[in-house]
Amino acid sequence: GAGVSQSPSNKVTEKGKDVELRCDPISGHTALYWYRQSLGQGLEFLIYFQGNSAPDKSGLPSDRFSAERTGGSVSTLTIQRTQQEDSAVYLCASSLSQGGVGGYTFGSGTRLTVV
Amino acid sequence: SQQGEEDPQALSIQEGENATMNCSYKTSINNLQWYRQNSGRGLVHLILIRSNEREKHSGRLRVTLDTSKKSSSLLITASRAADTASYFCATVATSYDKVIFGPGTSLSVIP
Repeated sequence: GAGVSQSPSNKVTEKGKDVELRCDPISGHTALYWYRQSLGQGLEFLIYFQGNSAPDKSGLPSDRFSAERTGGSVSTLTIQRTQQEDSAVYLCASSLSQGGVGGYTFGSGTRLTVV
Repeated sequence: SQQGEEDPQALSIQEGENATMNCSYKTSINNLQWYRQNSGRGLVHLILIRSNEREKHSGRLRVTLDTSKKSSSLLITASRAADTASYFCATVATSYDKVIFGPGTSLSVIP
């Protein structure tokens, strides 16, 4: 596609349920990032995929969070046993190269609300 | 530790005035980028400046980079109400690992 696509755009879930957030990056982009943004806050790095290398998971806040990237393209961020503090906008970005020389293209995000 | 820190946190100006936002960072970088975010959703890439560059222009945007002070500034000239948004700087370390964003500057341009 022409841009980074994220789905769903909004997700309301009950505390304790699992959720899956999807990111479809720009075709050919080797680098893919997940960030989390709480209301009125900056972006919190979660995880980074680069090509076939092992992902950098250093930003994942707990073992309830996991992500995978299949075939070097679509990525899924999974949050197990959701908590209210998980409520945020989850943003995905992709870049043509590791250094983001061409800039990072962001999706519109998934707004997750845990009730 | 957080790589980028913008200041001010919030800025309110009249339409037509210039807006200046600053960003400081802590480690060596390959490049620094500025992004705009409207309505708390996706970010839009504005401009990228490499570590060996000192100044870059794009339309009404002017970015400077001082690697000795580990700081950058974004100047928006002749601001418009449509420039109202949050602006973030992002640094890409020389090791090409994760991109770190600062907390952002919220800009309000009053018509």
